[in-house]
Amino acid sequence: GAVVSQHPSWVICKSGTSVKIECRSLDFQATTMFWYRQFPKQSLMLMATSNEGSKATYEQGVEKDKFLINHASLTLSTLTVTSAHPEDSSFYICSARSLLADNYNEQFFGPGTRLTVL
Amino acid sequence: GENVEQHPSTLSVQEGDSAVIKCTYSDSASNYFPWYKQELGKRPQLIIDIRSNVGEKKDQRIAVTLNKTAKHFSLHITETQPEDSAVYFCAASKRGGSEKLVFGKGTKLTVNP
Repeated sequence: GAVVSQHPSWVICKSGTSVKIECRSLDFQATTMFWYRQFPKQSLMLMATSNEGSKATYEQGVEKDKFLINHASLTLSTLTVTSAHPEDSSFYICSARSLLADNYNEQFFGPGTRLTVL
Repeated sequence: GENVEQHPSTLSVQEGDSAVIKCTYSDSASNYFPWYKQELGKRPQLIIDIRSNVGEKKDQRIAVTLNKTAKHFSLHITETQPEDSAVYFCAASKRGGSEKLVFGKGTKLTVNP
């Protein structure tokens, strides 16, 4: 149980284009989903927290107009990188917290999406 | 906000030896402390977690200890094997559905055969 999928697993795009990444909880409903970015040899950096049906909360320094997050249902959140540039190339990972979770913040991680912007 | 410090950044041990990774946190309201193992290009994999109402938890070769007074927690791996080689991250989180996990910077563990 508690499986999270991401699509695509990798994507290469041209500079200036937009890329959408999907994060799905396959066997549970997720009240909250989190989006992380990870550069090589670094830790996970939280970009934003999204709750179903409401606007995402972005971390300081993350441009909300560049990284659009939509959490339209309890099983799907999307991250759109708009007008991508080479410096946006990174490993993007989502995680999800179950609707049925207790007060402890256990999160289930997706497999990640490798984005390369040429 | 919460700050998590992790040490060491790299650790090299011989197969069969034990490995210990330590983390400290700053926010006394944090109540959940997971440890993740991440292999290159893959997702973080939860290997063990501990909640603030216990001081120690063990799962086969892996154990975690928590000292709430000192605000630090540690990962202990015994009888290490080459397949334990990976990057390990600690994290801390407060109570609540939208509370975030704050990660340490990671420890690259190498187990030499």
